[in-house]
Amino acid sequence: DAMVIQNPRYQVTQFGKPVTLSCSQTLNHNVMYWYQQKSSQAPKLLFHYYDKDFNNEADTPDNFQSRRPNTSFCFLDIRSPGLGDAAMYLCATSRVLASNEQFFGPGTRLTVL
Amino acid sequence: GESVGLHLPTLSVQEGDNSIINCAYSNSASDYFIWYKQESGKGPQFIIDIRSNMNKRQGQRVTVLLNKTVKHLSLQIAATQPGDSAVYFCAEDSTGANSKLTFGKGITLSVRP
Repeated sequence: DAMVIQNPRYQVTQFGKPVTLSCSQTLNHNVMYWYQQKSSQAPKLLFHYYDKDFNNEADTPDNFQSRRPNTSFCFLDIRSPGLGDAAMYLCATSRVLASNEQFFGPGTRLTVL
Repeated sequence: GESVGLHLPTLSVQEGDNSIINCAYSNSASDYFIWYKQESGKGPQFIIDIRSNMNKRQGQRVTVLLNKTVKHLSLQIAATQPGDSAVYFCAEDSTGANSKLTFGKGITLSVRP
């Protein structure tokens, strides 16, 4: 089945230790998104890729970076995780950018010790 | 010390009753709206969408109503089942240059057996 896959589902890291979260998709969608969702809050968009074009949200901290080596994969790099970065990180894809359904992965729960 | 987290508003309904979940959106330029269901530990799941040229759309057991005049969106679930228990988010988007899916505050639906 076509889907959005996130690995790992649970990630524990230490304060200040770089961590990378992975997302892959079999939908062949042009757009891939990364959202941060803290407990009992709505998902908040960090950035997205339209093909190879990277689009960062204005309020996304520099600590968060992303890579998209090919259509199928997209990575979220957190250079120096702080305690406040503990959250669920959701990857989503859509065929086109505007007014189009986004398909979400199951998320990666990040814990920072 | 004790930490206090945010709590989402909760709608509690009896199994078999109809549920109505309401959402106020903020951007008058939004022309596309989606309802997502998010179960614990999972990513948001698409339920139903509606474009601004419509005021009602029906799916299986779900109906979305859009009132652009007062910027209000609602999700109606008929014959609510225990499996409907989840957090529900409305999201808005636009076809403009700054298209971005923006999530509203979630509402927890709790179904009493």
